[in-house]
Amino acid sequence: QKEVEQNSGPLSVPEGAIASLNCTYSDRVSQSFFWYRQYSGKSPELIMSIYSNGDKEDGRFTAQLNKASQYVSLLIRDSQPSDSATYLCAVNDNNAGNMLTFGGGTRLMVKP
Amino acid sequence: DAGVTQSPTHLIKTRGQQVTLRCSPISGHKSVSWYQQVLGQGPQFIFQYYEKEERGRGNFPDRFSARQFPNYSSELNVNALLLGDSALYLCASSLWSGLSNYGYTFGSGTRLTVV
Repeated sequence: QKEVEQNSGPLSVPEGAIASLNCTYSDRVSQSFFWYRQYSGKSPELIMSIYSNGDKEDGRFTAQLNKASQYVSLLIRDSQPSDSATYLCAVNDNNAGNMLTFGGGTRLMVKP
Repeated sequence: DAGVTQSPTHLIKTRGQQVTLRCSPISGHKSVSWYQQVLGQGPQFIFQYYEKEERGRGNFPDRFSARQFPNYSSELNVNALLLGDSALYLCASSLWSGLSNYGYTFGSGTRLTVV
């Protein structure tokens, strides 16, 4: 059974710091990786996707993928209180249609 | 353009009852997927439908069923409700049966409470 593991947190960082969120996955055939942000009581919102080893940057967000170590991370630079949310890691095996396997999420708290 | 729309937004049902949740995909999208998110956990895949055919099914009992209509909207049905079915039910749509480079967008969800 495919598993996606995240530290549930909460991860607390001061405003302006870098927040580092980590995710490991068990299925070596996983090919697509996604980070979703979910505010309390709301639905998940896609913020980053990554497919190749290395880094992918989008504004204050950087996704990092290491397929050999089965590890994907999300860095948030200059963290803001509005970044406080639960961050969900999701992986997809391209042979499984568009089914995503999600981790349990990491709760991030950015303190002013 | 409207995003993925789900109805109702909130629902309270009694154990043993049946419930139907509805989802309208983004215009032009032909695939709809359903997820269940229990409080404190990540979403779990229930079903995927593409061109009105079931393309995937998660590890859920037969009490869960779904269908997709010619206009690509979808319904999720849950029979014989249990307390453990209380969750946020999420619908997502995509153009085709696979994932695009942009993942997919969720609707705002239906919060189901079983009492």
